[in-house]
This record gives sequence, structure tokens and C-alpha cells, in this order.
Amino acid sequence: AQSVTQLGSHVSVSEGALVLLRCNYSSSVPPYLFWYVQYPNQGLQLLLKYTSAATLVKGINGFEAEFKKSETSFHLTKPSAHMSDAAEYFCAVSSDNNNDMRFGAGTRLTVKP
Amino acid sequence: NAGVMQNPRHLVRRRGQEARLRCSPMKGHSHVYWYRQLPEEGLKFMVYLQKENIIDESGMPKERFSAEFPKEGPSILRIQQVVRGDSAAYFCASSAPGQRSNEQFFGPGTRLTVL
Repeated sequence: AQSVTQLGSHVSVSEGALVLLRCNYSSSVPPYLFWYVQYPNQGLQLLLKYTSAATLVKGINGFEAEFKKSETSFHLTKPSAHMSDAAEYFCAVSSDNNNDMRFGAGTRLTVKP
Repeated sequence: NAGVMQNPRHLVRRRGQEARLRCSPMKGHSHVYWYRQLPEEGLKFMVYLQKENIIDESGMPKERFSAEFPKEGPSILRIQQVVRGDSAAYFCASSAPGQRSNEQFFGPGTRLTVL
């Protein structure tokens, strides 16, 4: 079975500060990993995905994530937070063996002026 | 190419009524997934369907909930005899067959309120 764990249900940063949202996965087969963002009252939008190519993945809106097999992690980062980054972020895992995707509980990012 | 469409966007039902949620996948996508998001919680997988087949319904409650994806038309998530605990946002996602990484594209969701 696959799963992801997101450490920290709420993260608060100041505008311009580094954003770090943590995600650890569990998978017995090579995983595909995703980060999605959800703005209030909207659906999920894909930020970036890891599909066994480059371990450092760049996504939209200046976000990136690094796949670290030794740490079973796929943390999401952004060098400088903007007010518009305030949203809920979800990490998810799937694989060639599974067609469904398993989501973490989400991390709510707040950006302070 | 239109994205995943869900309707209605908001649905209000009284206890005991039926709720029908519809999902039209992206053009060319034949895989549909339904997720439920309770307030202040993450997404919980409910069911995975391909055209005319339920592939995985391990996340579906055993009673009152059913899903279908007919050969023609949208996928339907049906909740019979709704209770207050069914109030949630229900999201549909779709993916293309044979797509590497199984990336899923999400609809805007249907927010169900049970009075």
C-alpha cells in the first residue's frame, strides 16, 4: 500500500521568506509523486510532479520539490513567499501498480505581510 | 480542451433525500476518480471507474453510496438517504489510459450541504 504523510497541518511564513512544506511517502514500488494546490472553494491544481526522471522538479509559480529516495521525502519549497501563495497544499503518491492516487492530509500555508 | 466539469457546483439536500453528483472527464480521458473532502481534512479516495466498470471502490461507504460511469454520458456519484455527515466537497478527477505517472486532472468540486 502507498501513502504520504505531510508534516504540519498549518505553516505560516512572512512574505519574502522561504516556504518549506514537508512530505514523506511510503511505497514498495517506484513512486510517482505530486504536489497539488487548492485555493479556497476551488478544485486542485497540479503544481509539479516527479516521474522518475530528474530528482529536482520545478513547477509552476516558482515552486520546486526534490525527490530523496534515501529519506523517502518529496518536500516542496519556494525561495520567496508571495501573498498569493496562501492556500492548501496536498502531496500525493501513485505508481505503475496503482491507478488511484493517495493524498496527504494537506498543509495550509498562511503568508503574513 | 475543456477541463473536468462537475455539476452542480453547490447542492443542498434535506436529510433522507438523494444527491446526484455529475462529472464529465476531460476529452479523451476514460478513467474517473471520486474523492471526498470533509471540512478541514484532506482528500479521501472513494472510487475509481473506467467506462462501464468499477475498478476500485475500496473508499466507498458500503451503504447508500454508489457510482457509475456509463458508456455514454458523465460519471454519476449517487448518495441515497443523505445524512448531515455527508456534507462535504466531492471532487472528481480524470486521467487518460496508458498515461505515464497517472496524472489526474481535477474538477472544481461539488459542495454538498445536508440540512
